[in-house]
Amino acid sequence: AQSVTQLGSHVSVSEGALVLLRCNYSSSVPPYLFWYVQYPNQGLQLLLKYTSAATLVKGINGFEAEFKKSETSFHLTKPSAHMSDAAEYFCAVPYTGGFKTIFGAGTRLFVKA
Amino acid sequence: NAGVTQTPKFRVLKTGQSMTLLCAQDMNHEYMYWYRQDPGMGLRLIHYSVGEGTTAKGEVPDGYNVSRLKKQNFLLGLESAAPSQTSVYFCASSGDRVHEQYFGPGTRLTVT
Repeated sequence: AQSVTQLGSHVSVSEGALVLLRCNYSSSVPPYLFWYVQYPNQGLQLLLKYTSAATLVKGINGFEAEFKKSETSFHLTKPSAHMSDAAEYFCAVPYTGGFKTIFGAGTRLFVKA
Repeated sequence: NAGVTQTPKFRVLKTGQSMTLLCAQDMNHEYMYWYRQDPGMGLRLIHYSVGEGTTAKGEVPDGYNVSRLKKQNFLLGLESAAPSQTSVYFCASSGDRVHEQYFGPGTRLTVT
């Protein structure tokens, strides 16, 4: 079955440190991949999306993600964490067999001062 | 553009009461979705719609009904609320089944 796996339900980094949030997808190469961010008490918003035009995708707030077909991965990175990055992050892929999107379980990012 | 709006933002119900959550979008999107989000459970799809007048079941449809009488609105109904339906409910819309979804701010529902 098609799935998205996010490694680590919680990630903690110090302010200024590298942020790395991991996402692996199953099945064949998806046409699209997404990262969403959810700040406390808000809905999800799109951070960035992969559309096969480029393997390195830049998003908002300094985040980027690299699509690696050989590793079936789409990890999210940011060179220097900021306190305002504390949120929950979801990786997602459109379901090829229907009309829905498959979301990962989410990774909560904590940023320490 | 307001995007996706949800009404109400908060609600407390007693077991057995009914209510309707309203979702409205102003982006002329065909696809609309209702999710619930619970701690440790991620996002779970309740129902969705691929166009005006259509609805379909998602992963956790029991206890909920939906209607899409107008393209811009997607209603989620709880006929007889149960404590297990205490959750945060999110509505989302999309212009295409493979494109990104736009989420509303959520409705926090508590059933006592």
